[in-house]
Amino acid sequence: AQTVTQSQPEMSVQEAETVTLSCTYDTSESDYYLFWYKQPPSRQMILVIRQEAYKQQNATENRFSVNFQKAAKSFSLKISDSQLGDAAMYFCAYHNTDKLIFGTGTRLQVFP
Amino acid sequence: DAGVIQSPRHEVTEMGQEVTLRCKPISGHNSLFWYRQTMMRGLELLIYFNNNVPIDDSGMPEDRFSAKMPNASFSTLKIQPSEPRDSAVYFCASSLRGSLGNGYTFGSGTRLTVV
Repeated sequence: AQTVTQSQPEMSVQEAETVTLSCTYDTSESDYYLFWYKQPPSRQMILVIRQEAYKQQNATENRFSVNFQKAAKSFSLKISDSQLGDAAMYFCAYHNTDKLIFGTGTRLQVFP
Repeated sequence: DAGVIQSPRHEVTEMGQEVTLRCKPISGHNSLFWYRQTMMRGLELLIYFNNNVPIDDSGMPEDRFSAKMPNASFSTLKIQPSEPRDSAVYFCASSLRGSLGNGYTFGSGTRLTVV
């Protein structure tokens, strides 16, 4: 069974600094998608960034980028120039076939 | 598009009562998912539908839970009878099967409190 592990329950960062959130996953599949979702206090689940497993190039969306290491089954999220509005829970998720499987989340605090 | 619409946003009920949560997926999406979020267990997939047909309900915790999707624009998750341990946020999400790269679109969730 596929599993997703986020080993950092909480992280903190100073405004304007860079922070990296870790995620590892376990699968025997070769073709799949990986996602990072953000959940602010409003509890809305917001898609931040996606990565296709067969693409070697790391995805980037403005201040958000990933470091995708397929062999190591690692998928970390880097947030550059952190802003107060980035404070939220961040969930890593794995998808193949029909299911989206989530990690347990990392709570990110941003200090001014 | 109004996104995935869930109702109610909050529900407080007494133990033993029936609770019905509702979801309207994005028009044109053909897959629908029900998730439950708790502090202890995180986000759990309860059940999902493809083209209105339940595909996998292995995440449904017990027989007290049931879900239906009578048409492409409506789904319900029912708990009967409800128990305090059912207190959680319940999310509905939809997607276009075959477009995995787009991820899922989530509703705003229903916070259920069973007292």
